[in-house]
Amino acid sequence: GAGVSQSPSNKVTEKGKDVELRCDPISGHTALYWYRQSLGQGLEFLIYFQGNSAPDKSGLPSDRFSAERTGGSVSTLTIQRTQQEDSAVYLCASSRVWGAGDTQYFGPGTRLTVL
Amino acid sequence: DAKTTQPPSMDCAEGRAANLPCNHSTISGNEYVYWYRQIHSQGPQYIIHGLKNNETNEMASLIITEDRKSSTLILPHATLRDTAVYYCIVGGVTGGGNKLTFGTGTQLKVEL
Repeated sequence: GAGVSQSPSNKVTEKGKDVELRCDPISGHTALYWYRQSLGQGLEFLIYFQGNSAPDKSGLPSDRFSAERTGGSVSTLTIQRTQQEDSAVYLCASSRVWGAGDTQYFGPGTRLTVL
Repeated sequence: DAKTTQPPSMDCAEGRAANLPCNHSTISGNEYVYWYRQIHSQGPQYIIHGLKNNETNEMASLIITEDRKSSTLILPHATLRDTAVYYCIVGGVTGGGNKLTFGTGTQLKVEL
């Protein structure tokens, strides 16, 4: 596609429910990144994928968070048993390759609200 | 990743050049300087990046000092649509891949 797309654009859920957030990277981009941005805060790195593998999961806030990527393309970020502190904008980015100096292009984000 | 220091806010008159400074005194030799901006409620937008040399593209110019401890992003003719938070980020070669560590950035306000 022309750019990184994310769905849904907005998600409202009740505390304790599970949610899935989807990211479609730019076609041909091998690296994919997830970040989140809480209200009034900077971006917080969560996880990245090189192909389908995620070498660094240290940024995930808790074991309720998981992510997968299949076919080297679409990625899903899953949050189980959501808490109010999970409310944030979740941003996905992709880059052509994994490595220094390669540009990351961001999607519009998914705004998650946990009631 | 090296930390960066930016002024929290700046104002600029429309049509004038906007010069946004960034200090990154602990940058290592193989780390890049990236600039992104974020307009309210949108995802970050890539502007420019560089390693040692000054860089220019259709959006902006990036001036990196010889010791690489600071840089300046220049928007040559700022418009109202350039009002955004501008992030200076240093990083690149880490065990965690090319993850970007965003700080709090500079809120640039372009006014008539």
